[in-house]
Amino acid sequence: DADVTQTPRNRITKTGKRIMLECSQTKGHDRMYWYRQDPGLGLRLIYYSFDVKDINKGEISDGYSVSRQAQAKFSLSLESAIPNQTALYFCATSDLLSTDTQYFGPGTRLTVL
Amino acid sequence: AQTVTQSQPEMSVQEAETVTLSCTYDTSESDYYLFWYKQPPSRQMILVIRQEAYKQQNATENRFSVNFQKAAKSFSLKISDSQLGDAAMYFCAYNYGQNFVFGPGTRLSVLP
Repeated sequence: DADVTQTPRNRITKTGKRIMLECSQTKGHDRMYWYRQDPGLGLRLIYYSFDVKDINKGEISDGYSVSRQAQAKFSLSLESAIPNQTALYFCATSDLLSTDTQYFGPGTRLTVL
Repeated sequence: AQTVTQSQPEMSVQEAETVTLSCTYDTSESDYYLFWYKQPPSRQMILVIRQEAYKQQNATENRFSVNFQKAAKSFSLKISDSQLGDAAMYFCAYNYGQNFVFGPGTRLSVLP
């Protein structure tokens, strides 16, 4: 079984809809991250969480919110999706004792029509 | 703010040959980490190699090695004996504390 899983893997939705992307991990890591990937821009950080009670904004948090339901679960929400949020979304984790290396989930391809 | 630049959007290499992917970065820190990640068509982000800035010795992982030039803020990836399975997007990344910055990527094609 994969250490970091994301659901759904692919999603098509319409403008204005609320969308939740979910991430679960079995690595036992404290730190979790959400990124979006756009062609030619690499990965950009949306939000990150050091533990269940700690949530921090990243470079591009506008239009997104997150919830850390447990150490192993970190969800990303788009309250009212818009077309320029069409992207590939990645969840990642890192260990408190080795925060320099991140481990990624398989990604969610989101299309907003 | 830290930035990571990969000046080669696309590259190609003949199977069994060697190719070098370029990466430069900008930082005022002295102790940080650098990475190369591979993204094959499956979309999975796979860690290829990791370099600690305080170590002068270049990191090596099998056919993958880096040329880390700290003063020049350069971190290139060399792939030796290229294989068809090496075809992918390659991302250079910088980390200091919780600041993770990725470059825009280089798409590598491997020609049989």
